[in-house]
Amino acid sequence: AQTVTQSQPEMSVQEAETVTLSCTYDTSESNYYLFWYKQPPSRQMILVIRQEAYKQQNATENRFSVNFQKAAKSFSLKISDSQLGDTAMYFCAFTFYSGGSNYKLTFGKGTLLTVNP
Amino acid sequence: NAGVMQNPRHLVRRRGQEARLRCSPMKGHSHVYWYRQLPEEGLKFMVYLQKENIIDESGMPKERFSAEFPKEGPSILRIQQVVRGDSAAYFCASSRRDGDYEQYFGPGTRLTVT
Repeated sequence: AQTVTQSQPEMSVQEAETVTLSCTYDTSESNYYLFWYKQPPSRQMILVIRQEAYKQQNATENRFSVNFQKAAKSFSLKISDSQLGDTAMYFCAFTFYSGGSNYKLTFGKGTLLTVNP
Repeated sequence: NAGVMQNPRHLVRRRGQEARLRCSPMKGHSHVYWYRQLPEEGLKFMVYLQKENIIDESGMPKERFSAEFPKEGPSILRIQQVVRGDSAAYFCASSRRDGDYEQYFGPGTRLTVT
């Protein structure tokens, strides 16, 4: 079974600073996909960034980047130049192809990030 | 291009009543996933459906819960005889086609059982 662990229930950062959220996962699969989702108070799930396991290059999306360490099964999210609008719950998620086009996601328990002015 | 639609956004039911949650996938999407988010928890997979077929229901409770995705119309998640422990946010996500791993989430339905 696949598991995703987020060891930081809560974090805070000052506006304009950089913060890193941690995620580790456990799987025996070799081809899989990793995601970071943001859930603001509105509860809408917003995809922040994705990483295909077969790609060695770390994904980046504007102020968001990941540090993907496949051997260590680690997938951390770095947010640069933090903004007040980044305040949200952040979930790490994992999926792999399990047949029949089924890409069900396994989520971590989340990290509540607060950006302080 | 409308996103994934879910209704109602909020649903209050008394213990023992039935809850029906609806999900309309994005236009052109034929695969639907349902997830449940209990308070202070991450989302947990419940069921994966394609049009007229349940593909994977390994995350569904064995009793009282059912799901369908008919040829026409939205996907429905049905909870019979609700109990307080069913209070949660229920999210639907859709994907476009076979082999497409990216899912697009709806805004969720928050179910409160009193």
